[in-house]
Amino acid sequence: DAMVIQNPRYQVTQFGKPVTLSCSQTLNHNVMYWYQQKSSQAPKLLFHYYDKDFNNEADTPDNFQSRRPNTSFCFLDIRSPGLGDAAMYLCATSTRESEQFFGPGTRLTVL
Amino acid sequence: SQKIEQNSEALNIQEGKTATLTCNYTNYSPAYLQWYRQDPGRGPVFLLLIRENEKEKRKERLKVTFDTTLKQSLFHITASQPADSATYLCALDHNNNAGNMLTFGGGTRLMVKP
Repeated sequence: DAMVIQNPRYQVTQFGKPVTLSCSQTLNHNVMYWYQQKSSQAPKLLFHYYDKDFNNEADTPDNFQSRRPNTSFCFLDIRSPGLGDAAMYLCATSTRESEQFFGPGTRLTVL
Repeated sequence: SQKIEQNSEALNIQEGKTATLTCNYTNYSPAYLQWYRQDPGRGPVFLLLIRENEKEKRKERLKVTFDTTLKQSLFHITASQPADSATYLCALDHNNNAGNMLTFGGGTRLMVKP
């Protein structure tokens, strides 16, 4: 009965090689989020979708893009990963005013 | 600038004692505050939500207080158990028409020793 699923759990990529992380949900929530979390730091919001409306945080690098083809799926594309992009990437969902439900995360390693 | 501060040093307590974690914030006027638990290598898990007009909220062994004058929330775990060992994150909302937005503090790591 997984609610927010992230694939893969671990991703290794090379410096500069595009990578896509995926997230799916069975909760039918209208809001989906992508966070970046580095070791011992707070999760940092990259962007979120309210239904199909995309909202980018002001300090999210252009290197990060996202797609939400339907309610259930959301993708994070990193166009040219740098060493500083190595982190845990967390997907979350929520309704308009409620707690957020997080997936297990994808640990990205950049070689 | 806006800040959310949680004690970055680990909190070590003995099993059975009450753990108290602090979340202080500046330059926010949140409508509500949330607490999450995060285990190593996992996503955060929601624990409690407290609204600005609520002073205290309880759930089983957990208690959260919210003082909007002091700009502080306290998170208590009574009768702590080794299984409570984790990092606890507080998060403040900045709700807007674009959805339910949270900003997280850096978390406090709790270690409960048997």
